[in-house]
Amino acid sequence: GAGVSQSPRYKVTKRGQDVALRCDPISGHVSLYWYRQALGQGPEFLTYFNYEAQQDKSGLPNDRFSAERPEGSISTLTIQRTEQRDSAMYRCASSFLGLYGYTFGSGTRLTVV
Amino acid sequence: EDKVVQSPLSLVVHEGDTVTLNCSYEVTNFRSLLWYKQEKKAPTFLFMLTSSGIEKKSGRLSSILDKKELFSILNITATQTGDSAVYLCAVAEEETSGSRLTFGEGTQLTVNP
Repeated sequence: GAGVSQSPRYKVTKRGQDVALRCDPISGHVSLYWYRQALGQGPEFLTYFNYEAQQDKSGLPNDRFSAERPEGSISTLTIQRTEQRDSAMYRCASSFLGLYGYTFGSGTRLTVV
Repeated sequence: EDKVVQSPLSLVVHEGDTVTLNCSYEVTNFRSLLWYKQEKKAPTFLFMLTSSGIEKKSGRLSSILDKKELFSILNITATQTGDSAVYLCAVAEEETSGSRLTFGEGTQLTVNP
């Protein structure tokens, strides 16, 4: 597509529920990144993929968070047993290779009540 | 631990003023520094700086990097109300593939008419 597309735009969920956030990167982009952005802060790295391989997941806060990109295109970030502290904007970015064409999506605003 | 610090955190100016935003960093294997403008939606790319002392310019915006003193500045001349946004600075480290970014907190710029 023309840009990085994320869905849903907004998600409100009850504490303890699982959520799945989707990212559709720019067509042909090799690398895909997930970030989390709290209000008034810059984005914080979570994990990234080159093609379908997860290269670095050191930013995932705990084992309730996981991500996959099975066919090297669309990625899903899953949060199990959500907690209120998981509330944030979750942003996806993709790049052709390295820093070339690094583009962010509009994000998914997650609210856990 | 890698660190990116931006100052000021917020700034209010009048249309026509010139502003300078600062970004200092401490990273292990510096590769590039990037500036983004974030309004309501996704951060949009402004500049990528890799070499010291070379000014990058786009219209009323310009930026320069000092790798010896580990900082960058973003200048905006003749500010307009449309420049109101959060300006984010991010640093990328040397990697063989893919690039995670470490962001600062951002500078909230408000330009009043």
